[in-house]
Amino acid sequence: GQQVMQIPQYQHVQEGEDFTTYCNSSTTLSNIQWYKQRPGGHPVFLIQLVKSGEVKKQKRLTFQFGEAKKNSSLHITATQTTDVGTYFCAGLGVGSGNTGKLIFGQGTTLQVKP
Amino acid sequence: ETGVTQSPTHLIKTRGQQVTLRCSSQSGHNTVSWYQQALGQGPQFIFQYYREEENGRGNFPPRFSGLQFPNYSSELNVNALELDDSALYLCASSQGGGLEQFFGPGTRLTVL
Repeated sequence: GQQVMQIPQYQHVQEGEDFTTYCNSSTTLSNIQWYKQRPGGHPVFLIQLVKSGEVKKQKRLTFQFGEAKKNSSLHITATQTTDVGTYFCAGLGVGSGNTGKLIFGQGTTLQVKP
Repeated sequence: ETGVTQSPTHLIKTRGQQVTLRCSSQSGHNTVSWYQQALGQGPQFIFQYYREEENGRGNFPPRFSGLQFPNYSSELNVNALELDDSALYLCASSQGGGLEQFFGPGTRLTVL
């Protein structure tokens, strides 16, 4: 079945440093979504990417969707302590057999030292 | 506009028992998905309901079942609980199957 892998599992950075997490799917995706989960909280939607090669920016966050629609990345410029949390990618597979099946990666937990 | 709510917040059961978890979707949303999140892991897709019909299912055994009601609220039922069922159960609503998911706060289930 479809699998979504995310690396790294953990990342510790100094405040002001950049951060990147990578997401790879075993199959072609219809779309990919990114979520952030704070400790003790629930996942909160950040963005959805649909088109091959798509790049979207939200302030210091840059999201990319690969040309083959099998990989994605999230890059945070100049991290702040408010960026702390676990970032998940979640892929929706193509085809009727994957209807509604949003498959999450294992997440990358970001710690930011002030 | 009220967000997604779930009840109960916490639940402790013993092995072999049955449990029902409840979810109220966000106003205007017709799709509800359920996820199981073990500690330190990503949410695992259990199933999705769209307009009261199951609209996709993950790799969970039949003892995990669900319902969606005409007001789009939903229940997750788990029979014959096992120790490995201990997890955070998340409900998410959306306006369609592949769109942005709005998650509830979750129900923390502990099976002893």
